[in-house]
Amino acid sequence: SYVLTQPPSVSVAPGKTASITCGGDNIGGKNVHWYQQRPGQAPVVVIYYDSDRPSGIPERISGSNSGNTATLTISRVEAGDEADYYCQVWDSTSDHRIFGGGTRLTVL
Amino acid sequence: EVQLEQSGAEVKKPGESLKISCRGSGYSFTTYWIAWVRQMPGKGLEWMGIIYPGDSDVRYSPSFQGQVTISADKSISTAYLQWSSLKASDTAIYYCARPSAYSSSSPFDYWGQGTLVTVSS
Repeated sequence: SYVLTQPPSVSVAPGKTASITCGGDNIGGKNVHWYQQRPGQAPVVVIYYDSDRPSGIPERISGSNSGNTATLTISRVEAGDEADYYCQVWDSTSDHRIFGGGTRLTVL
Repeated sequence: EVQLEQSGAEVKKPGESLKISCRGSGYSFTTYWIAWVRQMPGKGLEWMGIIYPGDSDVRYSPSFQGQVTISADKSISTAYLQWSSLKASDTAIYYCARPSAYSSSSPFDYWGQGTLVTVSS
C-alpha cells in the first residue's frame, strides 16, 4: 500500500522559515493536500492540490510537489503556527485516501 | 453554511456495540462523499473509509475492513459509523469529513467537531 513519510517534528524560531516534507513514491504525480491541526481542534486544510491556498490562509503558507517529495513551507513563522501538520493524497491504485504520519511544528 | 454535526462523546465497555453519527447541512447531502477518520490518543489521522450517500457506495481502508460499518440515511442527511463489539483499542476521536468535490483526489474541506469514544471496563 502507498505510504507517506513525514518527519515527526520540526522546530523553528519565530520569524524564520519552516519546511515540512512529505515523502512518497512518485508523489509528484499525485495531488497533495496539507492539513493543520491545533490541539483540541479538528483539522483544517491549509494547502490543496499541491500549492493552492483556501481563502483565509495567509500567503506565507505555501506548498510544492515534485519527484518523491512534497513540501509545506511556512515563512515568517508565528507562535500561532504551532500545530500538527498532515499531508494527504488519494492513491488511485487502491482507491484509498492516505494520510502521512504528521509533523509537529514547534515554534521556539 | 456547510456544517457537519457529530453526535456526542460515548463511554462504553469492551464488547458493547456503538453507532455514532454525522449530520450534514447547508449542502446537497446526497452528492458529496462523507469520510470517517480516526485519531487515537496522541496519534495521527487515519482514513477509515468513505460513503457516497446518494447510492450508499462504501469504500473501506484495509485496516478497518470488517472492523466497522459505514452507512448513511439520506432521508435525514446523516452518516454513521458503527461497531458490533468494541475493544479498548477503539478508544479514539472519530471525525467525519467531506471532500470538496466528487473527485477522489479532492481535499477534505469540511470536518465535523469529532466524537470521542472511550472504551474501558
